[in-house]
Amino acid sequence: DTGVSQDPRHKITKRGQNVTFRCDPISEHNRLYWYRQTLGQGPEFLTYFQNEAQLEKSRLLSDRFSAERPKGSFSTLEIQRTEQGDSAMYLCATRTSGDNEQFFGPGTRLTVL
Amino acid sequence: QKEVEQNSGPLSVPEGAIASLNCTYSDRGSQSFFWYRQYSGKSPELIMSIYSNGDKEDGRFTAQLNKASQYVSLLIRDSQPSDSATYLCAVNRGSNFGNEKLTFGTGTRLTIIP
Repeated sequence: DTGVSQDPRHKITKRGQNVTFRCDPISEHNRLYWYRQTLGQGPEFLTYFQNEAQLEKSRLLSDRFSAERPKGSFSTLEIQRTEQGDSAMYLCATRTSGDNEQFFGPGTRLTVL
Repeated sequence: QKEVEQNSGPLSVPEGAIASLNCTYSDRGSQSFFWYRQYSGKSPELIMSIYSNGDKEDGRFTAQLNKASQYVSLLIRDSQPSDSATYLCAVNRGSNFGNEKLTFGTGTRLTIIP
């Protein structure tokens, strides 16, 4: 257990519904990253935050995706109008400013029916 | 050409032997290199980081980096059945703004045969 927590761990939804995932970082970690992993692939970067500022977004993050980290602590990732292609494991990773090692939470597995 | 390439395996190694996992990368600006272990259905777990050319040892694990050849490897000595997992190689350009995102390979599936 890295100390990074994610909720929920599993989410099954119907196509067209909105879903929201939460990540709680290790308390002293001010950098927070979201990745997406599909079967047989490595994680792909989506976006990241330094404190409450969202500093980079991948082209993978379509307009249906939005991420926030309002107080620089926990973060949420929302997917609107889900599609079957959104089915994946959504991973949150965090790190401190002074280190380059990212530690992953347990992930949220999303299944879109 | 993929940014980070790994042999997908499966790589089968007898228990007690040395497992050797390889990774090549295309971005010459890469500065930081990581090995993650991922059990089926679980999230990646960091096992090694390496930033300088040469070897870095941690217990049964040794990471090797050759920036000139754009090559990083992971050796697992005295392989145990619990080492059976997918090993992900990841790189980034450093810890500063704009360079932080990790780029992963597709992973090598390792099976340790008792």
